[in-house]
Amino acid sequence: DQQVKQNSPSLSVQEGRISILNCDYTNSMFDYFLWYKKYPAEGPTFLISISSIKDKNEDGRFTVFLNKSAKHLSLHIVPSQPGDSAVYFCAASARGSQGNLIFGKGTKLSVKP
Amino acid sequence: GAGVSQSPSNKVTEKGKDVELRCDPISGHTALYWYRQSLGQGLEFLIYFQGNSAPDKSGLPSDRFSAERTGGSVSTLTIQRTQQEDSAVYLCASRMVGSSYNEQFFGPGTRLTVL
Repeated sequence: DQQVKQNSPSLSVQEGRISILNCDYTNSMFDYFLWYKKYPAEGPTFLISISSIKDKNEDGRFTVFLNKSAKHLSLHIVPSQPGDSAVYFCAASARGSQGNLIFGKGTKLSVKP
Repeated sequence: GAGVSQSPSNKVTEKGKDVELRCDPISGHTALYWYRQSLGQGLEFLIYFQGNSAPDKSGLPSDRFSAERTGGSVSTLTIQRTQQEDSAVYLCASRMVGSSYNEQFFGPGTRLTVL
């Protein structure tokens, strides 16, 4: 049973518009959430994270929102750029798990010029 | 080096053969993880090393899989008697324990193809 779900395998957005990537989780022990970005033939790179004590974290064009009651988080990219085209993975870490991450299956974002 | 490195980048092997995959973590990172990504799937945790502690092997899919970490640095993942379902990208990550984030820095991965 998947503990971290990214239900949209792909998303296409026009350059300059907002990209919204969604992620749902089932384990209430998760207390830290991360987004990773992956280009083909490269390893994932850390993008942004949020602790369960917060509901929003912002870093430049990237904002992550956490709704604990709904067990839902989202990544907003605004404005989207063609270089943002990649696969985005949502990941979660549980208290006491020594940092082991549970990943979703990823969402492939395509930003069209 | 500046980042996590893995070798080989690609490995093609025949079913039944053994393979060894290598990971060089970022210098000073005491935590090391192995994951694999099968086609169309997310990253699946395999094993975790932290300092001199016993590794967390809870993610290893079968006893054909094993891993070592020598001297607290380089790690090798060994798959014995490979099967076609072992075909995947194997990713290594390292982390600075004690940092404020659970960020893991990933290597580029080894793409394993079992014929």
